[in-house]
Amino acid sequence: DTGVSQDPRHKITKRGQNVTFRCDPISEHNRLYWYRQTLGQGPEFLTYFQNEAQLEKSRLLSDRFSAERPKGSFSTLEIQRTEQGDSAMYLCASSLAGQGYNEAFFGQGTRLTVV
Amino acid sequence: AQRVTQPEKLLSVFKGAPVELKCNYSYSGSPELFWYVQYSRQRLQLLLRHISRESIKGFTADLNKGETSFHLKKPFAQEEDSAMYYCALRGNTPLVFGKGTRLSVIA
Repeated sequence: DTGVSQDPRHKITKRGQNVTFRCDPISEHNRLYWYRQTLGQGPEFLTYFQNEAQLEKSRLLSDRFSAERPKGSFSTLEIQRTEQGDSAMYLCASSLAGQGYNEAFFGQGTRLTVV
Repeated sequence: AQRVTQPEKLLSVFKGAPVELKCNYSYSGSPELFWYVQYSRQRLQLLLRHISRESIKGFTADLNKGETSFHLKKPFAQEEDSAMYYCALRGNTPLVFGKGTRLSVIA
């Protein structure tokens, strides 16, 4: 599968623990996005990178959340001191930057359950 | 602010009936509008975008700037169209999604 891949697919953690998710974008894509999706909602934008630079963060990204893309390839999203409200599907997407619209391809997501 | 509204959480239609999934948006500039679809147990994928003015799987959508709408239409629904449909807008930020409409096509 040469699409966007995310690991793990599912994560159950106790409240207060730290978790880290990984996203591997399509290899030639220089933009990488993180979204969060809760039940009954559409995907909500968290942050995005162009190459290794984090260009935008939404207000949803509290200081317990940190995302990195150190070499401009894969990305990690870490949540510290998880809370029950963090339970959601975390989606990663990638695209090419440039003139005009370049389609964003989504991964299958990581489902986080905080107990 | 950018906002996308999909007023229907669930839309049920009979096979062969016409389908219209509503989408309204709020954005002060010139937006790019998209429809994404998620079939059961599959990832979110692009269905169509307003710029290309194409028909995909029999679906079309026309951007109406006067009514700030981008409704998705298909003249004859098929069972395989059953899925979650999300309208999305790109203005000066990455994609903003609506809450989605679940389309259920009844045989």
